[in-house]
Amino acid sequence: QSVLTQPPSVSGAPGQRVTISCTGSSSNIGAGYDVHWYRQLPGTAPKLLIHSNNNRPSGVPDRFSGSKSGTSASLAITGLQAEDEADYYCQSYDSSLSGYVFGPGTKVTVL
Amino acid sequence: QVQLQESGPGLVKPSETLSLTCTVSGGSISPYYWSWIRQPPGMGLEWIGDIFYTGSTSYNPSLRSRVIISLDTSKNQFSLKLSSVTAADTAVYSCARVDWGRFDPWGQGTRVTVSS
Repeated sequence: QSVLTQPPSVSGAPGQRVTISCTGSSSNIGAGYDVHWYRQLPGTAPKLLIHSNNNRPSGVPDRFSGSKSGTSASLAITGLQAEDEADYYCQSYDSSLSGYVFGPGTKVTVL
Repeated sequence: QVQLQESGPGLVKPSETLSLTCTVSGGSISPYYWSWIRQPPGMGLEWIGDIFYTGSTSYNPSLRSRVIISLDTSKNQFSLKLSSVTAADTAVYSCARVDWGRFDPWGQGTRVTVSS
């Protein structure tokens, strides 16, 4: 049972916008800890996609954006492309566990 | 740019100790935290623990009794030992740098199977 919850899957047609939610609690996201997002392509290690709630590392297209409010965060992908098919994970810090926590991951399918 | 590479046995017998090493190249161990993360087959990511360049450690409470993470600054390496392994410890194990609470970059990961 993950401390952070994400939908198992989301899908959209090419060009559409999809969003992935990440819901936590008062001991992690709600406590003010940053949320980070990772993309994992099949057979590869996760790669940082969004850091500190809404910041894109160099090289990440501006089609990807993040937001955070209260005990939740969201990742939005606009202009969906076939190459966006991957698993997406949110991550934060939990003060009750004194450690880092991940969401269970969301599989994005491009129809 | 910093690169990480995991190394170690791909097969470990039940009840034995899993030992992996992460070699950091292109940068220094200091002044960062360094972490181990694992992913069982078909499942999500689990933080195992981390070590500061000074040697202080933090572990996932669910694994704390079996985990030791250590550092060898002279070799720019840090290591993971997980004792008393079972089939549930079968996973891809990755090392990563912790940068302001985020994991970046990651190693490519190494698959470890626990089986007799």
